Amino acid sequence: KQEVTQIPAALSVPEGENLVLNCSFTDSAIYNLQWFRQDPGKGLTSLLLIQSSQREQTSGRLNASLDKSSGRSTLYIAASQPGDSATYLCAVPDTNAGKSTFGDGTTLTVKP
Amino acid sequence: GAVVSQHPSWVICKSGTSVKIECRSLDFQATTMFWYRQFPKQSLMLMATSNEGSKATYEQGVEKDKFLINHASLTLSTLTVTSAHPEDSSFYICSAGVPYGEQFFGPGTRLTVL
Repeated sequence: KQEVTQIPAALSVPEGENLVLNCSFTDSAIYNLQWFRQDPGKGLTSLLLIQSSQREQTSGRLNASLDKSSGRSTLYIAASQPGDSATYLCAVPDTNAGKSTFGDGTTLTVKP
Repeated sequence: GAVVSQHPSWVICKSGTSVKIECRSLDFQATTMFWYRQFPKQSLMLMATSNEGSKATYEQGVEKDKFLINHASLTLSTLTVTSAHPEDSSFYICSAGVPYGEQFFGPGTRLTVL
């Protein structure tokens, strides 16, 4: 059974700092990995999808990397802004059906 | 990307009543949809897999008679919480997508049972 772990659980940084969020998974036989953002009381916003054949994906100030063999993914946020404050979740789909296993998330606070 | 909608976005009901939540894929057909539940300050937990034209597959510990799922068309899945109780209060989120591809998530439905 796939297990997904995110470290740290919470992170507080001053505005402008670069930061890294970590996601690890136990079963490396994955098809892809998704990073999401969730604002309090809101649904999920997809940030980046990395296919298993890719090493990284970039969107604006976000860069996600994937190392399947070690079961790790990182989300790098450059020049953080207060608007980046949210909970960030990573999810790995089941190899058979597409249902996803989520990590517990990292709650990020960017202080002005 | 593709769009998945949910209705209603929030609902408040009395204990013992039933509540139906709709999940629609707006611009693509989905033979499979997934229903998740999220309690406050916790992550999403898969409840069930909704299969078009056949019975849903429930995760261990999820009562199929309490959480009725119907996937009558390729664009619509419904989750009915029967005889809701305060402990069913939660954020319910559905997703749809291509197997092994990107999953698109609905905006969620917040259920509060008084």
